[in-house]
Amino acid sequence: EPEVTQTPSHQVTQMGQEVILRCVPISNHLYFYWYRQILGQKVEFLVSFYNNEISEKSEIFDDQFSVERPDGSNFTLKIRSTKLEDSAMYFCASSRTEQETQYFGPGTRLLVL
Amino acid sequence: QQQVKQSPQSLIVQKGGISIINCAYENTAFDYFPWYQQFPGKGPALLIAIRPDVSEKKEGRFTISFNKSAKQFSLHIMDSQPGDSATYFCAAIGRGSARQLTFGSGTQLTVLP
Repeated sequence: EPEVTQTPSHQVTQMGQEVILRCVPISNHLYFYWYRQILGQKVEFLVSFYNNEISEKSEIFDDQFSVERPDGSNFTLKIRSTKLEDSAMYFCASSRTEQETQYFGPGTRLLVL
Repeated sequence: QQQVKQSPQSLIVQKGGISIINCAYENTAFDYFPWYQQFPGKGPALLIAIRPDVSEKKEGRFTISFNKSAKQFSLHIMDSQPGDSATYFCAAIGRGSARQLTFGSGTQLTVLP
């Protein structure tokens, strides 16, 4: 069964450093999403991406965040200058259409020191 | 208005019992209500979903009951098993572009052997 994959599984970084989180969505999916989950809290929407542009973003997704689909398979989330409060689990998700179910990857646990 | 309220925060059930998790929403633009199951260190996995034109949907031991007038929906797990021990999130998606998932706060279910 096809699945969303994410790398790395864990990332530790110093405050102020840039990080790039990578995702490979399911191959025939066209809609891509990033969510985050701070430890013990609910999953929160960050951004959605379709047709090589951002469709929607939350207030969490400020100028420090960017997303990119650099090739036909990868979907990345970049945090330019990490803050302590960026420490969270980051999930990538994809769906074939807007109407269909979003499938989540296993997540990247980001720890900012 | 974008919130989905979920209760209880935690639930302990004996093996073979019925687990019931409740959610409520305000936004009448929501038109798709999935439930996700999350094991520690893993991404949310779709369990079952319902649209508001249906009052109940059953898949195996899992049933969603939906009350459109009350804007409430619930997950029932029949014959609960220790392997069902996980965190359960209700979610909702609204009409419009991008269809971001709005998650409830989660219920940590423990099924005792």
